[in-house]
Amino acid sequence: EAQVTQNPRYLITVTGKKLTVTCSQNMNHEYMSWYRQDPGLGLRQIYYSMNVEVTDKGDVPEGYKVSRKEKRNFPLILESPSPNQTSLYFCASSSTGRGEQYFGPGTRLTVT
Amino acid sequence: QKEVEQNSGPLSVPEGAIASLNCTYSDRGSQSFFWYRQYSGKSPELIMSIYSNGDKEDGRFTAQLNKASQYVSLLIRDSQPSDSATYLCPLLNSGGSNYKLTFGKGTLLTVNP
Repeated sequence: EAQVTQNPRYLITVTGKKLTVTCSQNMNHEYMSWYRQDPGLGLRQIYYSMNVEVTDKGDVPEGYKVSRKEKRNFPLILESPSPNQTSLYFCASSSTGRGEQYFGPGTRLTVT
Repeated sequence: QKEVEQNSGPLSVPEGAIASLNCTYSDRGSQSFFWYRQYSGKSPELIMSIYSNGDKEDGRFTAQLNKASQYVSLLIRDSQPSDSATYLCPLLNSGGSNYKLTFGKGTLLTVNP
């Protein structure tokens, strides 16, 4: 089954404790992206990647890191999480890069 | 900053009616337009993409694009309670990378039985 998976789905952590949210797709897509979704603000792009080793900032990259060492994986790293990073995070992938994206199920992160 | 604005919600229609959702966008150079649906607590899913002026139909859904007016709409005919969701119309960055999507806040649609 074609899918984008994220882990963990739910995470409660404390300020400053480094964490990684994994994202994997099995569709051989070149393009992958991370979004956060907050009430009243909608979906905002954090980072995106056009191919292995090629990444670029989205609208809200501060406080986040990404890497793309393999085509299928695109982890999101929070080196020192803060409460304002409490949000719902979505990973997405696309074969065309033109906007038709497949979204993962989401990761709900709470930073206390 | 390229932006997309959606018609203010929430929108409530009776079952069987036509639901009309609208988006206007600030980037005259955009060439690609999309409609996503997001059920509460779920991830967005693509329901329509449209690249040329005019109408594109897919089952009960019709997307309408007018690039000159910078306007894209989605009509849902014979609305069903299962259509109740938030509808999103992201703007695709027409710049170099051609991958950045900018989302509006979405329009919440409720279809009442």
